[in-house]
Amino acid sequence: GDSVTQMEGPVTLSEEAFLTINCTYTATGYPSLFWYVQYPGEGLQLLLKATKADDKGSNKGFEATYRKETTSFHLEKGSVQVSDSAVYFCALSDLDRDMRFGAGTRLTVKP
Amino acid sequence: EAGVAQSPRYKIIEKRQSVAFWCNPISGHATLYWYQQILGQGPKLLIQFQNNGVVDDSQLPKDRFSAERLKGVDSTLKIQPAKLEDSAVYLCASSLFQGLNTEAFFGQGTRLTVV
Repeated sequence: GDSVTQMEGPVTLSEEAFLTINCTYTATGYPSLFWYVQYPGEGLQLLLKATKADDKGSNKGFEATYRKETTSFHLEKGSVQVSDSAVYFCALSDLDRDMRFGAGTRLTVKP
Repeated sequence: EAGVAQSPRYKIIEKRQSVAFWCNPISGHATLYWYQQILGQGPKLLIQFQNNGVVDDSQLPKDRFSAERLKGVDSTLKIQPAKLEDSAVYLCASSLFQGLNTEAFFGQGTRLTVV
């Protein structure tokens, strides 16, 4: 069945460092791909999404490109801030199927 | 726009007791989801409603879990009797409709601790 695998955390970076969180997927169809973020004590919020191959989703300085050839949707940010500390979830949604989530990657950014 | 509302935020119960969670989705959203998020894991779908009908409940432990969506709006999720392994955050989410490209909006969740 459809599934998402993302890199294990936790990830600890210094402020202004470059961030990459890897995500790969398995799907029988052509899913939409999402990154959700969960700040401490809050629910999941959509960070960005891409609906077809080669689409790039972007928001708040974060970017991810839908790579069909490598079945990947890696999350990147050029310069992280302390306020980016959160848990990041990669997810996919396929036609007529529920949204499947990865296990989450906890990011801690130190000043 | 009001978000997805859930209550209570926290609940502590003893094993074998029963518990119920409530969710009010975003107005006009036809699809409602209940997810279970165990510490350190991603959310796992328990049940999905389209209006007041069940679309997918394949991962709902039906011997102890039940859910309903009254009049296609609010929803309740019940556990009876609870087990220790039910300790988790229960997330409710809603979306305009089901399917590809559809963003799900999440509530803050209910943290359940079974002791």
